[in-house]
Amino acid sequence: AQKVTQAQTEISVVEKEDVTLDCVYETRDTTYYLFWYKQPPSGELVFLIRRNSFDEQNEISGRYSWNFQKSTSSFNFTITASQVVDSAVYFCALSERHTGFQKLVFGTGTRLLVSP
Amino acid sequence: GAGVSQTPSNKVTEKGKYVELRCDPISGHTALYWYRQSLGQGPEFLIYFQGTGAADDSGLPNDRFFAVRPEGSVSTLKIQRTERGDSAVYLCASSLGTTGGETQYFGPGTRLLVL
Repeated sequence: AQKVTQAQTEISVVEKEDVTLDCVYETRDTTYYLFWYKQPPSGELVFLIRRNSFDEQNEISGRYSWNFQKSTSSFNFTITASQVVDSAVYFCALSERHTGFQKLVFGTGTRLLVSP
Repeated sequence: GAGVSQTPSNKVTEKGKYVELRCDPISGHTALYWYRQSLGQGPEFLIYFQGTGAADDSGLPNDRFFAVRPEGSVSTLKIQRTERGDSAVYLCASSLGTTGGETQYFGPGTRLLVL
């Protein structure tokens, strides 16, 4: 079974639209970490956020916000007022206690295309 | 400061050849990771070093793959008898390594093409 599921393969929006990228995870551990990374066309993975399983507070950073809901095993990412520079592939990832937290398990990514 | 660096950025080789991919982690990071990313997929874990030792190599696909980190800093991923299926982007990441679940910072990757 997929541990991290990003069901949206590709999303296209027009600049200034809000967009939400979904992430659903599966783990047997009660302690784990969740991450979001951005991979622009240049290819380098850029860290966006890290969240531990005990902190369900939503987080906002500028135009980015994250909604963590343990009850539904989801960690969704919203970009408000999207910009062309947001075009990239976005990955959700999980690290679990039973692997010593040292192995990131990634979803298959969601490609976001923001057009002017 | 400088991020994770990887060399070469691109490598083209022929089937059956040996290749070495190099990773230079962020200064002061004791943990180092290798991942492989195939086209259209997320990165997949290969191996993790804490200091000089390979703490977890469970992701290495077979014994043609080997990695070292002799002085606890630079790491080299070695692939023997390359096959076309080894073509992918090989990503290196590092983290402080002091506690679990730390953020891993990634390098730009080495794009390997086996002809």
